[in-house]
Amino acid sequence: GAGVSQTPSNKVTEKGKYVELRCDPISGHTALYWYRQSLGQGPEFLIYFQGTGAADDSGLPNDRFFAVRPEGSVSTLKIQRTERGDSAVYLCASSLNVQETQYFGPGTRLLVL
Amino acid sequence: GQSLEQPSEVTAVEGAIVQINCTYQTSGFYGLSWYQQHDGGAPTFLSYNALDGLEETGRFSSFLSRSDSYGYLLLQELQMKDSASYFCAVRAYNQGGKLIFGQGTELSVKP
Repeated sequence: GAGVSQTPSNKVTEKGKYVELRCDPISGHTALYWYRQSLGQGPEFLIYFQGTGAADDSGLPNDRFFAVRPEGSVSTLKIQRTERGDSAVYLCASSLNVQETQYFGPGTRLLVL
Repeated sequence: GQSLEQPSEVTAVEGAIVQINCTYQTSGFYGLSWYQQHDGGAPTFLSYNALDGLEETGRFSSFLSRSDSYGYLLLQELQMKDSASYFCAVRAYNQGGKLIFGQGTELSVKP
């Protein structure tokens, strides 16, 4: 079956702009996660959803970052007033529930100029 | 807090066996997971140890010892396509679904 998909695969933007990154989880997976990965590092947790609600957003670096999952399926990560330090790969994962294995998408490579 | 330590790089030859270690400091967790990530690719789930001992999945095995705060991934009959980064990760108690990852080990397989 289809895995986790993310769009766009690459995004180049200018400092100060707003960006939206989209994640389509595996069908039927109730839990959805966002991570950020910098070059040579492991993924770092940002936020996860159980259904439509954000169960833990403790990893969001500041209030410029926001994520939604209005219908309990697709999720959008929104970054306002982007900064050069936001440049990274943003990974999305989903799992059947929070106890089960997380399956990752290919990521969105964000470059802020 | 929690932290996981891995060697940054490991090099081995085709056909050999390699062990990638993961030592951790955490107050408690459900189990130790391993992910593989090729350059530019998605992290791919390899193995999970909920209990102490060895789990075998084909050429890959994973081990956990909670008393030693230690785990490892063992790769046998290495192939060139095994060249990738390998991450250990845990889901800590009282932190829901959040996975905490190590910094990753870059494995280079030489002919």
